[in-house]
Amino acid sequence: AQRVTQPEKLLSVFKGAPVELKCNYSYSGSPELFWYVQYSRQRLQLLLRHISRESIKGFTADLNKGETSFHLKKPFAQEEDSAMYYCALFSGNTPLVFGKGTRLSVIA
Amino acid sequence: NAGVMQNPRHLVRRRGQEARLRCSPMKGHSHVYWYRQLPEEGLKFMVYLQKENIIDESGMPKERFSAEFPKEGPSILRIQQVVRGDSAAYFCASSEDRGPTEAFFGQGTRLTVV
Repeated sequence: AQRVTQPEKLLSVFKGAPVELKCNYSYSGSPELFWYVQYSRQRLQLLLRHISRESIKGFTADLNKGETSFHLKKPFAQEEDSAMYYCALFSGNTPLVFGKGTRLSVIA
Repeated sequence: NAGVMQNPRHLVRRRGQEARLRCSPMKGHSHVYWYRQLPEEGLKFMVYLQKENIIDESGMPKERFSAEFPKEGPSILRIQQVVRGDSAAYFCASSEDRGPTEAFFGQGTRLTVV
């Protein structure tokens, strides 16, 4: 069965510090991986997907099939990055499977 | 395009009552997904529907829960005889196609059972 693991419930970093939100998945095939973000009092929205290989708001994520990881990174955290971040997997057979989320808190 | 609309935003029900949660997908979207978020938990998939069809209900509890997406009107998630454990945030998402496309989420309905 597909599973997405986000080991950190809460991650606090200082403004300007690098950020890495961890995501590991279990799936035997070739998945599509996504990062979703939920800012305070806003709806969940797509941040980025691995197939597009783009950088959104300074965030990047690389799919590492050997380590079955899709960690989200940003070199310099900003206060406005504070939010809940969810890693999600699509396998083609079932709808998106989400991790439990990591709350990022950027301290000024 | 107003995005995915869910109503009500907040719903309070007494134990044993019925809860009806509504979701209007984005214009042009025929795929609807319902997720439940319990406190301290991630989003758990419940059901995936296309117009008039349930495609995947593997995440739905076997009893008291049902979902529909009629030809006209919003998708409805119905919970009969609610219990305290049903208290959660229920999110709806819609997409244009099935597949690794962007799913757009509503703001959710927070159900509180008292």
